[in-house]
Amino acid sequence: DVVLTQTPSILSATIGQSVSISCRSSQSLLDSDGNTYLYWFLQRPGQSPQRLIYLVSNLGSGVPNRFSGSGSGTDFTLKISGVEAEDLGVYYCMQATHAYTFGAGTKLELK
Amino acid sequence: EVQLVESGGGLVQPGRSLKLSCVASGFTFSNYGMNWIRQAPGKGLEWVAYISSGSSYIYYAETVKGRFTISRDNAKNTLYLQMTSLRSEDTALYYCARRLGADYWGQGVMVTVSS
Repeated sequence: DVVLTQTPSILSATIGQSVSISCRSSQSLLDSDGNTYLYWFLQRPGQSPQRLIYLVSNLGSGVPNRFSGSGSGTDFTLKISGVEAEDLGVYYCMQATHAYTFGAGTKLELK
Repeated sequence: EVQLVESGGGLVQPGRSLKLSCVASGFTFSNYGMNWIRQAPGKGLEWVAYISSGSSYIYYAETVKGRFTISRDNAKNTLYLQMTSLRSEDTALYYCARRLGADYWGQGVMVTVSS
């Protein structure tokens, strides 16, 4: 099974600070069709998860452009350029190249 | 507006069965694969099952294979999850989510397995 390792598990930030979350896969997520099925989600407290990024670097519908995704193969990063209060919650990466797996999550909190 | 509304959850004893439903609206349901994803209390997300748009492809997590059955009725815009031989570790909030990349999620339905 593919394991996704997210770091850090907890991230403390001030409003306006830029932060990054890492997601490392135990196997390459490059599919034979040329796509890399790596996604990022945000779950705000008490809410359902919201998809932020799809296929590594594509911004989801209605998602602010302060969010960006990058990476390839086994190493991926979500960057928030200027944290806002509404960004607080738990971030998950997910892969769908080899069945489905979620990372354990990164909690973004205010410093 | 895309909407996914789950129902059918509740308290059930270990070993018993339960069937969840997810009614979709705001898009052409028959064109999209669908997922069930769950979240145990205070824990992370766990994918449970996927069904393709025409039910030709169905996949399960190892933790539920042989006990859970995903199905859909495209005429009723409804996704189902039949859960049998339930265990305490199946206690979770169950979400339905649209397509391979889970672009839309429902609000979730709680399933509690306890005697």
